[in-house]
Amino acid sequence: DMKVTQMPRYLIKRMGENVLLECGQDMSHETMYWYRQDPGLGLQLIYISYDVDSNSEGDIPKGYRVSRKKREHFSLILDSAKTNQTSVYFCASNYRGRAETLYFGSGTRLTVL
Amino acid sequence: GDSVIQMQGQVTLSENDFLFINCTYSTTGYPTLFWYVQYSGEGPQLLLQVTTANNKGSSRGFEATYDKGTTSFHLQKTSVQEIDSAVYYCAMLMDSNYQLIWGSGTKLIIKP
Repeated sequence: DMKVTQMPRYLIKRMGENVLLECGQDMSHETMYWYRQDPGLGLQLIYISYDVDSNSEGDIPKGYRVSRKKREHFSLILDSAKTNQTSVYFCASNYRGRAETLYFGSGTRLTVL
Repeated sequence: GDSVIQMQGQVTLSENDFLFINCTYSTTGYPTLFWYVQYSGEGPQLLLQVTTANNKGSSRGFEATYDKGTTSFHLQKTSVQEIDSAVYYCAMLMDSNYQLIWGSGTKLIIKP
């Protein structure tokens, strides 16, 4: 079953707290992504991972870091969350260079108070 | 730099109306173009891929066209239904780094 799973679906944190968003995929895709989605701004790429321990900054990496220790798992970490990081975060994966195989998770709605 | 512009932030139609969404792109490379759809509460999913100049792709009643001369691509549907209410994104895959460049999305609202 081709699926990208994100946990949790909803998360409320206070400013300054650490946040861990988790993503898993069952398709053995090499490439995984973290995006954030804000009204009027569409999808903004935070980080891209080409495989285990092979991560690159996207367009808006500041304030975020990632970890990929297994091909099927990709984590997004916010150290000391800020209120402007309130957003919906999407994880996605695909075979490298094949956008037609791109699958997204259902998203995590993060609220930082 | 490479970019995709999607000007229509929101489109409101009635059932059975004609839908037309337009994107323009800018790149020095050889892009592959896509349309994705995002239903409420879900992540985006692939709707259509268009790979050849002046070639149409079609899926679920939607049709995509691509004009290399004007560096634009379009999504259209002859008769929209309420179930088509969603956000539609155009996207361009760069052959240089395999990254997707996204448009800002068009929210389609169908009045019952």
